[in-house]
Amino acid sequence: GAVVSQHPSRVICKSGTSVKIECRSLDFQATTMFWYRQFPKKSLMLMATSNEGSKATYEQGVEKDKFLINHASLTLSTLTVTSAHPEDSSFYICSAMNLAGIGTHYEQYFGPGTRLTVT
Amino acid sequence: QQPVQSPQAVILREGEDAVINCSSSKALYSVHWYRQKHGEAPVFLMILLKGGEQKGHEKISASFNEKKQQSSLYLTASQLSYSGTYFCGTSMVTSGTYKYIFGTGTRLKVLA
Repeated sequence: GAVVSQHPSRVICKSGTSVKIECRSLDFQATTMFWYRQFPKKSLMLMATSNEGSKATYEQGVEKDKFLINHASLTLSTLTVTSAHPEDSSFYICSAMNLAGIGTHYEQYFGPGTRLTVT
Repeated sequence: QQPVQSPQAVILREGEDAVINCSSSKALYSVHWYRQKHGEAPVFLMILLKGGEQKGHEKISASFNEKKQQSSLYLTASQLSYSGTYFCGTSMVTSGTYKYIFGTGTRLKVLA
């Protein structure tokens, strides 16, 4: 199946700093990438939908100025957590959708996730 | 809007069966099932598209009801490796935006 990488896998940062997480589709083009956040023992909550070349669509309650998403190419989307605080500590997962999958039965391909700890 | 799964958690002994349900207040275009191990990304299990569909194999199978509002995942003769959290997932279009969301999740633990 298709491969999605996510970097870094783990990051520890100090409160007030910014952290960038990269999500790359390695062997296919992804017009749409999704960013999720997962707290311990909870479901994956959709944060935003990232479309190549356009602004991301954020879910209600997600601060767009805090969680900056850039989808500059068909293989790369980035999530930047700005001025991170301890409550931003979480597991962040991206997924990518194959261009050919839109409107048909498709499979999402997930990155391995990034564990963010803000001290 | 988020599909609701039941039960929230289940503990089994090796060899026992389990059923996990995923319910939506609205008809779903499709439903996907995933298993997630702790600290890892979800792993795709299967997709169901049509009302009344059943698919899978002897050990792990799933069904999608005629109204496409409920799906069930069947785990037969469970193995230790089945432990994890199971999620159903579905796509939807809201205000012209395509999005993909997950159900509430079911934690399953298989004991030896």
